[in-house]
Amino acid sequence: NAGVMQNPRHLVRRRGQEARLRCSPMKGHSHVYWYRQLPEEGLKFMVYLQKENIIDESGMPKERFSAEFPKEGPSILRIQQVVRGDSAAYFCASSPSQGQYNEQFFGPGTRLTVL
Amino acid sequence: GENVEQHPSTLSVQEGDSAVIKCTYSDSASNYFPWYKQELGKRPQLIIDIRSNVGEKKDQRIAVTLNKTAKHFSLHITETQPEDSAVYFCAARVTGGGNKLTFGTGTQLKVEL
Repeated sequence: NAGVMQNPRHLVRRRGQEARLRCSPMKGHSHVYWYRQLPEEGLKFMVYLQKENIIDESGMPKERFSAEFPKEGPSILRIQQVVRGDSAAYFCASSPSQGQYNEQFFGPGTRLTVL
Repeated sequence: GENVEQHPSTLSVQEGDSAVIKCTYSDSASNYFPWYKQELGKRPQLIIDIRSNVGEKKDQRIAVTLNKTAKHFSLHITETQPEDSAVYFCAARVTGGGNKLTFGTGTQLKVEL
C-alpha cells in the first residue's frame, strides 16, 4: 500500500507565477488535509477536504490560495501570483474517515521556493 | 481557536539519558494528542498518540502523559539513541472542530554520543 504521494517534491517559481501542488492520498483514504511549514517552524493547518467538498478552509489565506479534491484524481493546492512569503514546505496528509481519533498520514511534502 | 505551546525548542542529551518534551494547549475541548517525529527533509511520522480519556500511554522507550486539568501533555523518551535525533512536534485536535491538528512549534532533539 503506497503512502501519501505528493508532487512535485521541489518547485521553483518566480514572483507572480502560479504554483500547483498535487497530493494523492493513501488508498482507501477519502480525507485530505494541507499544512504549511515555514522554515524552522511547526506545521500550520490550511484546508481539509473530502471528495468534491471543502470541509474546513479556515487556515487558508482568502486570496491567491485555493484547493480542490475532485472525484477523480489528486487533491490540488493552487497558489496564484506567488510571493516570496509563500516559500515553504507544503505537506499533505490523509486519513480514512472522519473518526476523531484517526491518524493522519503525511506525504513527503513539496518544497516551494519563490525567487 | 486552539493554541499549542511546546518547550523546549532545543534539547541536547547524552546517549542513554532520558528526554522530556512538554506541551500545553488552550482549548479544553481538545481530545486527541498525537506526537510526530520529523527527520531533516522528511515527512512527519506519528510516533505515539493519546486520547483525552487516558492519562498515560507507553510504547517501548516512548511514553506520553496527559494532564487534562492543567491542559498539558508530555513526551518521554528513555534510553535515548542517536537515531532519536530529530524534530518532535506535539499536536492537539479539538472535538467538533473538524479534523485539523494544531501543532506546537517543535523541539530539536540532539542525542550526543
